[in-house]
Amino acid sequence: EIVMTQSPATLSVSPGERATLSCRASQSVSSNLAWYQQKPGQAPRLLIYGASTRATGIPARFSGSGSGTDFTLTISSLQSEDFAVYYCQQYNNWPPYSFGQGTKLEIK
Amino acid sequence: DVQLVESGGGLVKPGGSLRLSCAASGFSFTTAWMNWVRQAPGKGLEWVGRLKSKAGGGTTDYAAPVKGRFTISRDDSKNMLYLEMNSLKAEDTAVYYCIAIISGTPADPYFDCWGQGTLVTVSS
Repeated sequence: EIVMTQSPATLSVSPGERATLSCRASQSVSSNLAWYQQKPGQAPRLLIYGASTRATGIPARFSGSGSGTDFTLTISSLQSEDFAVYYCQQYNNWPPYSFGQGTKLEIK
Repeated sequence: DVQLVESGGGLVKPGGSLRLSCAASGFSFTTAWMNWVRQAPGKGLEWVGRLKSKAGGGTTDYAAPVKGRFTISRDDSKNMLYLEMNSLKAEDTAVYYCIAIISGTPADPYFDCWGQGTLVTVSS
C-alpha cells in the first residue's frame, strides 16, 4: 500500500501571500495524484488531478506540480475562502486509493 | 446539475447493521465507477470501497478494515448506490461520502463528484 505524507500539518499564511503545500508518496505514483479542498462542515472538492490539471471551475491561483513521489500544491495569492484543509490522494496503485493526512491552511 | 445525495446514516449499536443509500442524478450513472469514502470525526479521509460500472466488470474492491463486513451494490435502473455495513464497530463511526468518477476514466480515476455525506455513529 502506498503511504501519502503531507507537510506541514498546519500552515499559517496571511491573505494575499503565497501558500505551498507538500505531498510525498512512499513509492512512485507517476502523475496520478489529486488534490482536494475541504471546508468545515462540507464535503471535499476536487481541485487538481493528474498532478497539475485544474478541475472545472477552479481558479487559476491554484496550481499543482510534481511527479513520481514529490508533489506541491501552490496557492499564489490567498483569498479568505482558501483557508481550509487540503488533502492529496494517489490513484496510481489501487486499491486502495490512499489519501494524505491533510494540511490545515489557517489565517496568520 | 450533477448530484449525489446520501441517506441512511444514524446511531447503531456495536455489532449492528446499517444500509446507506446514495441517489445519483445529472450524469450517466450506469457508466460511472462509484466509491465510498469515510471521515471519522476530526480525522482525515479514508477510502472504503469501489464498485465498477457493469460495463467495466461490475466488480468491487474494499479497504482492509471493512473487507468482509461491508458490501457495495448498485441499482442502475434507479440510479442508486448502496453500502451495506455489518458487524459494525466503534471505529466505523464516521461521515460516509458517496463519490462518482464522472470526468475521470478507469485509467484516471480521480474523485470529481462527492455527495454531502451521512453520519454513522456506532455506540452502545
